[in-house]
Amino acid sequence: GENVEQHPSTLSVQEGDSAVIKCTYSDSASNYFPWYKQELGKRPQLIIDIRSNVGEKKDQRIAVTLNKTAKHFSLHITETQPEDSAVYFCAATRGNEKLTFGTGTRLTIIP
Amino acid sequence: KAGVTQTPRYLIKTRGQQVTLSCSPISGHRSVSWYQQTPGQGLQFLFEYFSETQRNKGNFPGRFSGRQFSNSRSEMNVSTLELGDSALYLCASSLSGRAVSDEQFFGPGTRLTVL
Repeated sequence: GENVEQHPSTLSVQEGDSAVIKCTYSDSASNYFPWYKQELGKRPQLIIDIRSNVGEKKDQRIAVTLNKTAKHFSLHITETQPEDSAVYFCAATRGNEKLTFGTGTRLTIIP
Repeated sequence: KAGVTQTPRYLIKTRGQQVTLSCSPISGHRSVSWYQQTPGQGLQFLFEYFSETQRNKGNFPGRFSGRQFSNSRSEMNVSTLELGDSALYLCASSLSGRAVSDEQFFGPGTRLTVL
């Protein structure tokens, strides 16, 4: 089955700087890659996703890139703000299969 | 539209007991997935139900089971509880369960503590 590895497990950045979280997947047939944000004590929420037919997607301060050849995808957050502090999970699926999640990255924005 | 709800929100049990958790999906959603969340392990898939049928199953022992009712509400049961079952149990609902086309919406979770 699919295996997703996520790095780093913790990340601290100064407010205003950029943050990058990386994930690798094992199943070359995976074609959908969502990212979820889970604030402390709250439920995970989808923040951005990318399909295998595109290499990059942006939504305001967040972007996701996908390298199908290397089987890795990354989340980029620019101009970080205190409200970006949360745990971020990447996931992968081949569409008709279950989502396989990474182990999460705890992002802390330092004011 | 009301979100995904889970009951109870907190549970404390002792080893050997059993527990039943409930999940009510968003109205119209027919797929319910269950996940176990523990520190360092992320979200681990337990199973998915669609139209009262288990469609996918993760790598958990048979002590973990579930079911789905005709109104799409789902329950999961854990028998013979072990200390390692302490976790946040999340359910997520979607229209079809196909992540590539339908967003999964998570519930707030049930925090299970096994003493």
